[in-house]
Amino acid sequence: SQQGEEDPQALSIQEGENATMNCSYKTSINNLQWYRQNSGRGLVHLILIRSNEREKHSGRLRVTLDTSKKSSSLLITASRAADTASYFCATHGEGAQKLVFGQGTRLTINP
Amino acid sequence: NAGVTQTPKFQVLKTGQSMTLQCAQDMNHNSMYWYRQDPGMGLRLIYYSASEGTTDKGEVPNGYNVSRLNKREFSLRLESAAPSQTSVYFCASSEAGGFGEQYFGPGTRLTVT
Repeated sequence: SQQGEEDPQALSIQEGENATMNCSYKTSINNLQWYRQNSGRGLVHLILIRSNEREKHSGRLRVTLDTSKKSSSLLITASRAADTASYFCATHGEGAQKLVFGQGTRLTINP
Repeated sequence: NAGVTQTPKFQVLKTGQSMTLQCAQDMNHNSMYWYRQDPGMGLRLIYYSASEGTTDKGEVPNGYNVSRLNKREFSLRLESAAPSQTSVYFCASSEAGGFGEQYFGPGTRLTVT
């Protein structure tokens, strides 16, 4: 079963607006990662945040992690049409060799 | 560097047929993974190989076998395909320890009729 649950399942915003996606998980983690998938393509790694970190930035991306609530959020600022994609959170459990993916948020940026 | 490559890109099988999906990576990664993705879903792990010579079951291993041929290559075999195995299959690799980011191939779209 998938550990990560993402919210919302779909999000549609205007170009230039900010997009926020949330991820909740169930068990203790070593790290949490966010990936992007363009239609018909493989996943691309965006950012990794470790369990002892609370916030991380990469360009227009900001990720927060709240281990007490077992949740994370991905904020994309100043969205562009090219940001249209599905976004997945994935968790690495402590001592685990494998990632467990959520079902994803489908983001549409309208011009 | 090609990264992670997968062949074939598309395949149509009849129920009961067998096939092998090939995956290779040129990043000298120790860990490799096979996932399946069904419509509107996230990825589910089929099998993984933490290092050359080892393989372990993931969440949905039934109906599949894998071979870690060498450090570069990790193949997935369907011995007797079923319609429930219609899916998009992704191979991925990561550095030693497996806790870091994973690098994904472009996927194989498989249809079983």
